[in-house]
Amino acid sequence: AQTVTQSQPEMSVQEAETVTLSCTYDTSENNYYLFWYKQPPSRQMILVIRQEAYKQQNATENRFSVNFQKAAKSFSLKISDSQLGDTAMYFCAFRGSGANSKLTFGKGITLSVRP
Amino acid sequence: NAGVTQTPKFRVLKTGQSMTLLCAQDMNHEYMYWYRQDPGMGLRLIHYSVGEGTTAKGEVPDGYNVSRLKKQNFLLGLESAAPSQTSVYFCASRTGRGEAFFGQGTRLTVV
Repeated sequence: AQTVTQSQPEMSVQEAETVTLSCTYDTSENNYYLFWYKQPPSRQMILVIRQEAYKQQNATENRFSVNFQKAAKSFSLKISDSQLGDTAMYFCAFRGSGANSKLTFGKGITLSVRP
Repeated sequence: NAGVTQTPKFRVLKTGQSMTLLCAQDMNHEYMYWYRQDPGMGLRLIHYSVGEGTTAKGEVPDGYNVSRLKKQNFLLGLESAAPSQTSVYFCASRTGRGEAFFGQGTRLTVV
């Protein structure tokens, strides 16, 4: 079974600075999908970024980018120029490539952006 | 486009009562999921469905039942609610390529 580990329960960053959130996973599959979801106080789950394991290039979405290290099974999220609206809980998630694969989440990390 | 809609958004139950949570999606997605979110535990999969008429157990299925009679709806039932089922429940549906869309969540309290 796949597992997703987010070992940092909380992080804090100053507005306009850069922060990196860590995530590791365990799988025996060669092809799979990785995601970062954001959950603000509104409780809504919002997809931030996704990475397909067969793509070597790290995914980027505006201020959000990932460092995908397939051999190390590591998938960290970098947030540049942090904004107050980035304050939220962030979840790392994994899904295998099989049609019926489940989406497995880490325990999440609470990020606070300080003004 | 409503996406994924959960009803109700809040509910308080007494121990032993039953209820059904409804999830409806209008994106013609095959795959649907029910998760529960508890502090420090992340999202844990309760049950899921890979298509109309199919259901399967997830990580924490005990005390819950589900049905997928129509493709757009996925129902989660609690037959006899227990305080341990106090949680926030999320429904999600996804495309074939794996991006999941979530409902707004249901906060359930069992007293």
